Amino acid sequence: KAGVTQTPRYLIKTRGQQVTLSCSPISGHRSVSWYQQTPGQGLQFLFEYFSETQRNKGNFPGRFSGRQFSNSRSEMNVSTLELGDSALYLCASSIAGEGEQFFGPGTRLTVL
Amino acid sequence: GENVEQHPSTLSVQEGDSAVIKCTYSDSASNYFPWYKQELGKGPQLIIDIRSNVGEKKDQRIAVTLNKTAKHFSLHITETQPEDSAVYFCAASDSQGGATNKLIFGTGTLLAVQP
Repeated sequence: KAGVTQTPRYLIKTRGQQVTLSCSPISGHRSVSWYQQTPGQGLQFLFEYFSETQRNKGNFPGRFSGRQFSNSRSEMNVSTLELGDSALYLCASSIAGEGEQFFGPGTRLTVL
Repeated sequence: GENVEQHPSTLSVQEGDSAVIKCTYSDSASNYFPWYKQELGKGPQLIIDIRSNVGEKKDQRIAVTLNKTAKHFSLHITETQPEDSAVYFCAASDSQGGATNKLIFGTGTLLAVQP
């Protein structure tokens, strides 16, 4: 069974631009969560989707948004990029709304 | 707010020795506690988890214990091997009966196993 896939794996953007990251969960998984990982703040919860509905949102500004499609694939978008948005963005999927979450390899975003 | 503290931040052991990593959580509603291993350039890998209705769980060389009263949980790795070297994260989740899957992570422990 294929794991969680994230595209692209690496991105370089400049301040003020926007970016869209994609996540394909494990087949059959309906829940997708997004996390930001930085050396200073560690792993922080961004948001969570289940059956195309956002169930929970972390403490991030409105520039961070996401959505989930009917096939459970998810995208997250960051608008008006800032230098501090440079991070590893991780996606995790689970079968239902609780329990084991499996992470993808992440997208490394660098904002110049 | 919710918080998970993790200690130590770095741990160096000799191959064959045991390693113990400890975490404390603040939210008494937390009921699911996974542990992840993250190697360089990779995403976190789930290695073991425990639910609040269980005090201990073991999987080969890895075990996790949970003390709900003290809000502590720990990861125990026995007979460590060089390939165990990685960053380990604990996490806590308050699934609220399936209403959310949000994980609160500890700050990580860099484990180095010396051959």
